[in-house]
Amino acid sequence: ETGVTQTPRHLVMGMTNKKSLKCEQHLGHNAMYWYKQSAKKPLELMFVYNFKEQTENNSVPSRFSPECPNSSHLFLHLHTLQPEDSALYLCASSQAMGMKRATDTQYFGPGTRLTVL
Amino acid sequence: AQKITQTQPGMFVQEKEAVTLDCTYDTSDPSYGLFWYKQPSSGEMIFLIYQGSYDQQNATEGRYSLNFQKARKSANLVISASQLGDSAMYFCAMRGEGSNYKLTFGKGTLLTVNP
Repeated sequence: ETGVTQTPRHLVMGMTNKKSLKCEQHLGHNAMYWYKQSAKKPLELMFVYNFKEQTENNSVPSRFSPECPNSSHLFLHLHTLQPEDSALYLCASSQAMGMKRATDTQYFGPGTRLTVL
Repeated sequence: AQKITQTQPGMFVQEKEAVTLDCTYDTSDPSYGLFWYKQPSSGEMIFLIYQGSYDQQNATEGRYSLNFQKARKSANLVISASQLGDSAMYFCAMRGEGSNYKLTFGKGTLLTVNP
């Protein structure tokens, strides 16, 4: 138990559905991240929030829409996804991206395994 | 730009033996951090160990130790007394000014511990 939870753990959706992934951290951190992990590909950073402000959007398609209402919660809203979006979506948190310290360790949640039909 | 290279796609080790997972990195940053994560089949990425570029001693955390050779730009993970539960993917990662402090991950090594 790392202090970062994600729901749901598994999600199957059609291309026309709208769904949301939720991440919650209980570590008192101020930075939160969304990553995508596809089969046989390196982990891809999608979004970064630092003190609730989005500081990074790594050229992610607009069908993925993040939301960070406070430093403890992070959502990823999904709509009109494609089959190639099927992947493991991992949420992480760290003390603060803005601290710009090499030591800032990211702690990950268990991930949501998404399948788009 | 920063780069992490893990040259071993898969490794096998007998239970109770030690194993070394290789990681080399490339960066021009004077200050950076190196991390190892474990990812079991369940998917969660578990932080194992951290080494700072200016740390004089190699990091250790229980059965995990990091063999840090700065001149060779290598940060190998050593797992002593392997257990069946150590079977997982292992990722090396780094963070520094050159990547705007974003984590750069390697492709991972799949470790299988045999009974």
